Amino acid sequence: EDQVTQSPEALRLQEGESSSLNCSYTVSGLRGLFWYRQDPGKGPEFLFTLYSAGEEKEKERLKATLTKKESFLHITAPKPEDSATYLCAVQQYGNKLVFGAGTILRVKS
Amino acid sequence: DAGVTQSPTHLIKTRGQHVTLRCSPISGHKSVSWYQQVLGQGPQFIFQYYEKEERGRGNFPDRFSARQFPNYSSELNVNALLLGDSALYLCASSPSGGGDEKLFFGSGTQLSVL
Repeated sequence: EDQVTQSPEALRLQEGESSSLNCSYTVSGLRGLFWYRQDPGKGPEFLFTLYSAGEEKEKERLKATLTKKESFLHITAPKPEDSATYLCAVQQYGNKLVFGAGTILRVKS
Repeated sequence: DAGVTQSPTHLIKTRGQHVTLRCSPISGHKSVSWYQQVLGQGPQFIFQYYEKEERGRGNFPDRFSARQFPNYSSELNVNALLLGDSALYLCASSPSGGGDEKLFFGSGTQLSVL
C-alpha cells in the first residue's frame, strides 16, 4: 500500500533561517509527487509536481527535489508569510492522491 | 475568475442524521474529487467524478455517496452520521481528471457531528 511520511511534524524558523522539509514515500510505481501549501481554514494550494528522480522545481523561496525514496522542500530565507502547513502527496491514479500528515511551518520575524 | 466554491462552510449535525455537501468546480473543469481531512492529518480521498461517472472511490463505507450533475457541480452525501465523520470536507476540481493535472481545492465544509 502506498504510504507518505512527512517530517518534522512542526518546524519553527526565524525569518531568514533556511531549512528543509522531508517527504518519504513508498509506492508501487511513482506516477507523480505533489507538494501543496495549506493555510488555516483554507484548502490546499498547489505548489509543485515532480515525476522522476533528480528532478527539481523552484518557485520564489521554495525548491522541491526528488529522489527514488524521498522528496525535499527547501525553503531559502523564509519570511513570516511562508508560515503554513506543507503537504506532500503521491498520485495513485486519476485524481486520487495519497497525502502525508503535513509539516506545520512557523516563521517568526 | 471564481475558484472552487463549496457550501455550506460550516455545519453542525447530530449522530444518525444525514448531510449533503455541495461543490461547484472552476468553470471549464469537468472532474470533481472529494477529500476528507481530519484535524492534524492530510486529506484522504473519498471519490472522483468525471462527466457524471465515478472514476474512483476511496476506502470509505457505503454511507458515503456522491454524484455529479450535467453542469459538473457535485454533491457528497453522508448517511447515518457518526462522531468520527467530523472533519473538513474538501472538494477539488481539474480540467479532465488526468493524473498529471494539478487539483484546485475549495476552502471546504467543516462538519461537526455531536
